Amino acid sequence: DGGITQSPKYLFRKEGQNVTLSCEQNLNHDAMYWYRQDPGQGLRLIYYSQIVNDFQKGDIAEGYSVSREKKESFPLTVTSAQKNPTAFYLCASSIALAGQQETQYFGPGTRLLVL
Amino acid sequence: EDQVTQSPEALRLQEGESSSLNCSYTVSGLRGLFWYRQDPGKGPEFLFTLYSAGEEKEKERLKATLTKKESFLHITAPKPEDSATYLCAVRRWEAGNNRKLIWGLGTSLAVNP
Repeated sequence: DGGITQSPKYLFRKEGQNVTLSCEQNLNHDAMYWYRQDPGQGLRLIYYSQIVNDFQKGDIAEGYSVSREKKESFPLTVTSAQKNPTAFYLCASSIALAGQQETQYFGPGTRLLVL
Repeated sequence: EDQVTQSPEALRLQEGESSSLNCSYTVSGLRGLFWYRQDPGKGPEFLFTLYSAGEEKEKERLKATLTKKESFLHITAPKPEDSATYLCAVRRWEAGNNRKLIWGLGTSLAVNP
């Protein structure tokens, strides 16, 4: 079955700690995205990547970092500089970034909590 | 300012009671309107993409329509399993590589048996 997997489902972060959220897709999609979802707010884009070894900041990139070393993988690191990391994190992918191929498909999400 | 507003915030229906959800938008140069369904604690599930005014798409009990200012998601004879939050997002024309979608806050739908 093709799809997007995110792990872990729940993640706990201690003060001052960096944590990495995993996102893997086997859909052969070129583009991948990271969003943050908070109660009462719409989805907010953190980073996106069009191709391997290339990525762009979204609206709220501060305190986050990403890498895209493989087409299938787009991990997100929440650094200690992110002062309010508690949220539901969603990874998405699309065939491309143009026209009708840019419909985004989402993974199941990772809930990050601060201890 | 570009904005996407969904209404109502919450809707409770009886099974079989048809209704519509609204997504109104103010963006310059629409390049796609997307509907998603999201169950609690899960990622959004893609439903429809609409690109031009007058376009309609259907899937089972759901039908999405688009005008120049808004989109409606019509739910015909809903069942309890249709209970979810329905999200709307809009992509506007933008030069360069900015691929941002503008998201609404969603409509939480509950269908009682």
